[in-house]
Amino acid sequence: NAGVTQTPKFRVLKTGQSMTLLCAQDMNHEYMYWYRQDPGMGLRLIHYSVGEGTTAKGEVPDGYNVSRLKKQNFLLGLESAAPSQTSVYFCASRLDGRQETQYFGPGTRLLVL
Amino acid sequence: GQNIDQPTEMTATEGAIVQINCTYQTSGFNGLFWYQQHAGEAPTFLSYNVLDGLEEKGRFSSFLSRSKGYSYLLLKELQMKDSASYLCATPRGSDKLIFGTGTRLQVFP
Repeated sequence: NAGVTQTPKFRVLKTGQSMTLLCAQDMNHEYMYWYRQDPGMGLRLIHYSVGEGTTAKGEVPDGYNVSRLKKQNFLLGLESAAPSQTSVYFCASRLDGRQETQYFGPGTRLLVL
Repeated sequence: GQNIDQPTEMTATEGAIVQINCTYQTSGFNGLFWYQQHAGEAPTFLSYNVLDGLEEKGRFSSFLSRSKGYSYLLLKELQMKDSASYLCATPRGSDKLIFGTGTRLQVFP
C-alpha cells in the first residue's frame, strides 16, 4: 500500500498560470480532502469529497476547483494562480463517515511568483 | 463556533515531561484528535478521544474533559525526535475536521 500520494512534490508558477495537483489513494477510502498550510494559520480546508462524483467547499475554496471522477483520485486545480496561493498543499483521505483518522499525503510545495 | 486554541510554541528538555493544551468551543462535540507533524512532513495520527478521561499510548497520553472543552497531550521521557508541531482537531459534523494552528515543541538536550 502506497497510502496517499501527491504529485508534484514541488512547483513554481508565474502569476496567472494554471496547474492541477493530483492526489491518489489506494486504501479504497470514500472521503478525500485538500488542505493548505501556511505559517501561523494551521491546516485550512479548501475542498473535500465524500465519494466518487461529489465535491463540497471547505473554509477557503476561492480560486480553486476540484474533481473526483474516480474514487481513488482527487484533483485540485488552480485556474489562474496568485501569489497568495503560495503554500504547502496536503491531501488527506478517510475511510468513510465514521469518526476515524485522516491519512495525509506528503504535501506539495507551491510557489507563485 | 468551533474555535480551537493551543499555544504557539513550547520548549522542554530531553527526558522531561511536557503537557500541550487545547481548548475548543463547540456544540455537537464529536471527539478530539491529536496529530504530530515534523517539519517538512505530513501530519500523522496520534490519538482520538471521544469520552472523558486519560488514554495512554506508550510515552504519549491524551486527556479530554468535555464539560470544560479542554484536552491535553502529555509527552513523557522526551526525546529529541519529539521536536515537532502538535495539532489538535475536532470534527465539524460528520464530514470535516477543524484544526488548531498547532503547537511547535522544541526539545533541547
